[in-house]
Amino acid sequence: SQTIHQWPATLVQPVGSPLSLECTVEGTSNPNLYWYRQAAGRGLQLLFYSVGIGQISSEVPQNLSASRPQDRQFILSSKKLLLSDSGFYLCAWRLRGTEAFFGQGTRLTVV
Amino acid sequence: RKEVEQDPGPFNVPEGATVAFNCTYSNSASQSFFWYRQDCRKEPKLLMSVYSSGNEDGRFTAQLNRASQYISLLIRDSKLSDSATYLCVVSNTGGFKTIFGAGTRLFVKA
Repeated sequence: SQTIHQWPATLVQPVGSPLSLECTVEGTSNPNLYWYRQAAGRGLQLLFYSVGIGQISSEVPQNLSASRPQDRQFILSSKKLLLSDSGFYLCAWRLRGTEAFFGQGTRLTVV
Repeated sequence: RKEVEQDPGPFNVPEGATVAFNCTYSNSASQSFFWYRQDCRKEPKLLMSVYSSGNEDGRFTAQLNRASQYISLLIRDSKLSDSATYLCVVSNTGGFKTIFGAGTRLFVKA
């Protein structure tokens, strides 16, 4: 069966520090991968999606970036965090035409 | 205009009530539709897919109207455990881009 791992579960980082969140999927090949962010009390905002290794589509201009170095690995990064980067970050995978499955999320607080 | 728009919440209903959520989408070429449920501080989980002919799963009924670009979710005989945020989800023609609505918050009261 397919599983998705996302870590860490919680993170507190100072403003200006770098960020690296990692997500890996097991049990499937060539999934579409997604990073979403959810601010407190708000909906999910699509940040990036990827349809293959090295292929990244950005939905919202910001100081975040994403990379897909391997088929089932998706990384969200920032060189310098802003206070506004705080939120609940969710990684998801799906195959074409099917539903999306989410990791358990990372709750990021930038202080 | 947002790509996916949902009814503003919150909905406060008594146990046993029937409640309906609506969702509209802007891309007429959208291909896949879903309803997700999200509990507080948790990841969203699939509630049900939405098919063109409409579909039912127990107390939940989902409908799609492609002409009006409209999706609905009906919950009958509401339970306390139905309290959550319900997210409408739309995927584009290629199946790559998956957009979530902002969600509708439901509170079911005893």
